[in-house]
Amino acid sequence: GAVVSQHPSRVICKSGTSVKIECRSLDFQATTMFWYRQFPKQSLMLMATSNEGSKATYEQGVEKDKFLINHASLTLSTLTVTSAHPEDSSFYICSAISGGGVYNEQFFGPGTRLTVL
Amino acid sequence: AQRVTQPEKLLSVFKGAPVELKCNYSYSGSPELFWYVQYSRQRLQLLLRHISRESIKGFTADLNKGETSFHLKKPFAQEEDSAMYYCALSGLGYQLIWGAGTKLIIKP
Repeated sequence: GAVVSQHPSRVICKSGTSVKIECRSLDFQATTMFWYRQFPKQSLMLMATSNEGSKATYEQGVEKDKFLINHASLTLSTLTVTSAHPEDSSFYICSAISGGGVYNEQFFGPGTRLTVL
Repeated sequence: AQRVTQPEKLLSVFKGAPVELKCNYSYSGSPELFWYVQYSRQRLQLLLRHISRESIKGFTADLNKGETSFHLKKPFAQEEDSAMYYCALSGLGYQLIWGAGTKLIIKP
């Protein structure tokens, strides 16, 4: 199956700093990528939908200036958490679908654990 | 409103017993339904989708439009089935609407 990677897998940062998380589709071109946030023992919360070459579509309640998303190529999307605060600590997961996807299957990255001190 | 409901947060059954993870949905059109699974320390992965009508790892799920359900079933649970299971719905776009998830524990 298609493989999606995320980097870093774990990051610890100080409050007020910015953190960039990369999401890559390794063996396919991803026209659409999704960014999720998962709190402990809870389901995934969709943050935004990222389409290559266009602005991301954010879900209600997600601050676009706080969570900057860039999908500059068909294999890379980045999520930058700006001026991070402890409440931003969470597990961030990306997923991707290929341009030829018929059944809307999303392929998931392994996730990034962000801890803001 | 579009919604996926998994009423059980936790389901614990003995090895060899039948398993049924419930999923109900609310959607005005013709949705695609999926079951995703997340094993411990692993990424989310697709288990099965209703349109393929296949059995994966002994699991099956039938879409019941009358009851708006897509329950996941397995006749004989195995210890390696212990995981988080998420039911998800896809409508017109590529976005998935997720259920809250059910943690399945298979006791030896």
